[in-house]
Amino acid sequence: DTAVSQTPKYLVTQMGNDKSIKCEQNLGHDTMYWYKQDSKKFLKIMFSYNNKELIINETVPNRFSPKSPDKAHLNLHINSLELGDSAVYFCASSQAPLTDTQYFGPGTRLTVL
Amino acid sequence: AQKVTQAQTEISVVEKEDVTLDCVYETRDTTYYLFWYKQPPSGELVFLIRRNSFDEQNEISGRYSWNFQKSTSSFNFTITASQVVDSAVYFCALSELNSGNTPLVFGKGTRLSVIA
Repeated sequence: DTAVSQTPKYLVTQMGNDKSIKCEQNLGHDTMYWYKQDSKKFLKIMFSYNNKELIINETVPNRFSPKSPDKAHLNLHINSLELGDSAVYFCASSQAPLTDTQYFGPGTRLTVL
Repeated sequence: AQKVTQAQTEISVVEKEDVTLDCVYETRDTTYYLFWYKQPPSGELVFLIRRNSFDEQNEISGRYSWNFQKSTSSFNFTITASQVVDSAVYFCALSELNSGNTPLVFGKGTRLSVIA
């Protein structure tokens, strides 16, 4: 009965590979987000979808592509992984965009070798 | 320009001491929201409080209290009688509805260590 779940929890891969992280929420929320947390714990919003439409896209390299097949899912696909992509990626959801409380998934620790 | 400033990078206190975590924000919007989140060593992000710009009442929840002052653009967080389980990184965040910039910004966090 996890509210926001992410898979995988850990991802170790080589530079240049393509990988995906999946996120699902069972809270019935309309809005989902992806955040990146770097090694210094700095948390930065990357994308947000509201009712499957992209509403926030923050200066993220186009190697990153979010996909929302339905309101309950927001996946993150990353092409041509680079060392600098190593971070913890958090998915979150809220009912309304930005103003409502966001509930976060457990995070996916991505390590690019 | 940094929109959310948490000037205290790290704080250490002894158990049972009170501690205040500072958060100062910048916005030109009249409507905005402020949040505090806790990230314990296990890594998950836990919601603590949400406050809109029209509600300046202070809030108390158990040992936690928040002081919102629009005059100084601050939204400070106090833990009374701290416990070891309070050890975590605490993030303050600002959400602006009408800004042309990044609509949701987190501060850099304050790492609180409570020593037994």
